[in-house]
Amino acid sequence: EAQVTQNPRYLITVTGKKLTVTCSQNMNHEYMSWYRQDPGLGLRQIYYSMNVEVTDKGDVPEGYKVSRKEKRNFPLILESPSPNQTSLYFCASSLFPTGGTEAFFGQGTRLTVV
Amino acid sequence: ILNVEQSPQSLHVQEGDSTNFTCSFPSSNFYALHWYRWETAKSPEALFVMTLNGDEKKKGRISATLNTKEGYSYLYIKGSQPEDSATYLCAIDNYGQNFVFGPGTRLSVLP
Repeated sequence: EAQVTQNPRYLITVTGKKLTVTCSQNMNHEYMSWYRQDPGLGLRQIYYSMNVEVTDKGDVPEGYKVSRKEKRNFPLILESPSPNQTSLYFCASSLFPTGGTEAFFGQGTRLTVV
Repeated sequence: ILNVEQSPQSLHVQEGDSTNFTCSFPSSNFYALHWYRWETAKSPEALFVMTLNGDEKKKGRISATLNTKEGYSYLYIKGSQPEDSATYLCAIDNYGQNFVFGPGTRLSVLP
């Protein structure tokens, strides 16, 4: 089954404690991205990657890091989480960089930083 | 930052009513437009991807149109059902690099 898998689904952590949210896709997609969703703001793109070892900042990259060492995986790293990073996070992938193809989303990770 | 707007922010309709909502975007920044349906506690799922001015797409009772010259897209739902209740998101593909999403329209269909 074609899917994008995020882990964990729920996470509560403390300020400053490094964490990683994993994202994996089994569709051989080149393009992967991370979004955060906050009430009233819709989905905002954090980082995206057009292929292995190619990453770029989205609209809200501050406080986040990513890596793309393999085509299927695109982890999101919070080196020193802060309460303003409490949010719902989605990973997505698509076949081409973007354009005429749809994006497939993971199940979401709800992160709370206290 | 590219600005994508959606209206209304939310609406409530009765079962059987038809409804529509709008996605607006700068007409000078267009490569493709995506519509997604997002149910609570689930992942957004693609409805349509549209690239050409005048495009019309249909999936069951849901259809969409695109006007790239004036910078808007309409999503129509005919004969709304309670299972249509969701947030509908549009996104602009920014010249093949990144997506910019609108804030969404939250639809509630009352039985």
